[in-house]
Amino acid sequence: DTEVTQTPKHLVMGMTNKKSLKCEQHMGHRAMYWYKQKAKKPPELMFVYSYEKLSINESVPSRFSPECPNSSLLNLHLHALQPEDSALYLCASRSNSYNSPLHFGNGTRLTVT
Amino acid sequence: TQLLEQSPQFLSIQEGENLTVYCNSSSVFSSLQWYRQEPGEGPVLLVTVVTGGEVKKLKRLTFQFGDARKDSSLHITAAQPGDTGLYLCAGVWEDTTDSWGKFQFGAGTQVVVTP
Repeated sequence: DTEVTQTPKHLVMGMTNKKSLKCEQHMGHRAMYWYKQKAKKPPELMFVYSYEKLSINESVPSRFSPECPNSSLLNLHLHALQPEDSALYLCASRSNSYNSPLHFGNGTRLTVT
Repeated sequence: TQLLEQSPQFLSIQEGENLTVYCNSSSVFSSLQWYRQEPGEGPVLLVTVVTGGEVKKLKRLTFQFGDARKDSSLHITAAQPGDTGLYLCAGVWEDTTDSWGKFQFGAGTQVVVTP
């Protein structure tokens, strides 16, 4: 069982819908990440939150809006997505030790119709 | 952009055979990690290597970190169907200035082990 929980596991949405992806961890990690992953490809970094503040935005379109309400929760708000945004969205967390690894959730499989 | 080259992209082998996956960069890593990802799941950490020349073993998996900390390899002995998955290397570079916790992933190696 993963220690990073993502909901929902699957999501189908139309291009005019608004939806949110949720991520939760209780390991006390102070860095949380959103990655996008296409089939058979590596994860691509979208956002990094450090101590609940946005640290890195990899030039992600504004139709993706991250939010970190507290140290355990990370949300990704979706609005007016395109079919090419269909992918697996992975959340990860990490402790603040320099060489510590990423702990991934099992992702949300998003389909935009 | 720092580049992390991983090869091969795809490996299909029979049960009992050995395989090696490579990860290379022109820059020095501060650490490198190997992950395995199975369908419908997130990547799971296999190992972290930090010291140049380091060798770590995890059952039938052997991980090496190059002396100059620019390359790494993963060797699987006597592969089993349960080893099937997407293997990803990921590194953090010492000279990256804006990357508190930013990881660079290789392209991944899809390994298929058939009985």
